[in-house]
Amino acid sequence: GAGVSQSPSNKVTEKGKDVELRCDPISGHTALYWYRQSLGQGLEFLIYFQGNSAPDKSGLPSDRFSAERTGGSVSTLTIQRTQQEDSAVYLCASSSTGSPGEKLFFGSGTQLSVL
Amino acid sequence: AQTVTQSQPEMSVQEAETVTLSCTYDTSESDYYLFWYKQPPSRQMILVIRQEAYKQQNATENRFSVNFQKAAKSFSLKISDSQLGDAAMYFCAYRREHDMRFGAGTRLTVKP
Repeated sequence: GAGVSQSPSNKVTEKGKDVELRCDPISGHTALYWYRQSLGQGLEFLIYFQGNSAPDKSGLPSDRFSAERTGGSVSTLTIQRTQQEDSAVYLCASSSTGSPGEKLFFGSGTQLSVL
Repeated sequence: AQTVTQSQPEMSVQEAETVTLSCTYDTSESDYYLFWYKQPPSRQMILVIRQEAYKQQNATENRFSVNFQKAAKSFSLKISDSQLGDAAMYFCAYRREHDMRFGAGTRLTVKP
């Protein structure tokens, strides 16, 4: 596609429910990132995928968070047993090769609200 | 660990005037990249400008320029001839390899 697409745009869920957030990166981009942006905060790194390599999961805050990337393209971030502190904007980004100087292309994010 | 600090939570500027947003970072590395990203209300982060640490010359992109002071670990963004469309959150970021660290952001308001 023309840009990074994320769905849903907004998600309201009840505490304890599981949620899945989807990211469609730019076609051909091998690197994919997930970030979390809490109100008034900067972006917090969650996970990084690069091609067929093992993902860097070092930013995932707890074992309730997981992510996968199927076929080197679409990625899904899953949050199990959601808590109120999980409320945030979840941003996905992709880049062509993952080179450090590359521009990251961001989606518009998913606003997650846990009631 | 690398950290990025933006000490100005909010800034305002009169249309057509110049404003400077501050950013400092902490690293023991010598080779890295620095970025400024803009986030309008649409939430989509947009790259404003980037700087390679091994380049002494400050990067410029039209009305946007940086003052990169490597020894001081400072990377400020100057916006000249501010326009209403410049109003947004601005994030400074440090990157080495795939690890990109962001500051907490500065909210820029442009007054007509």
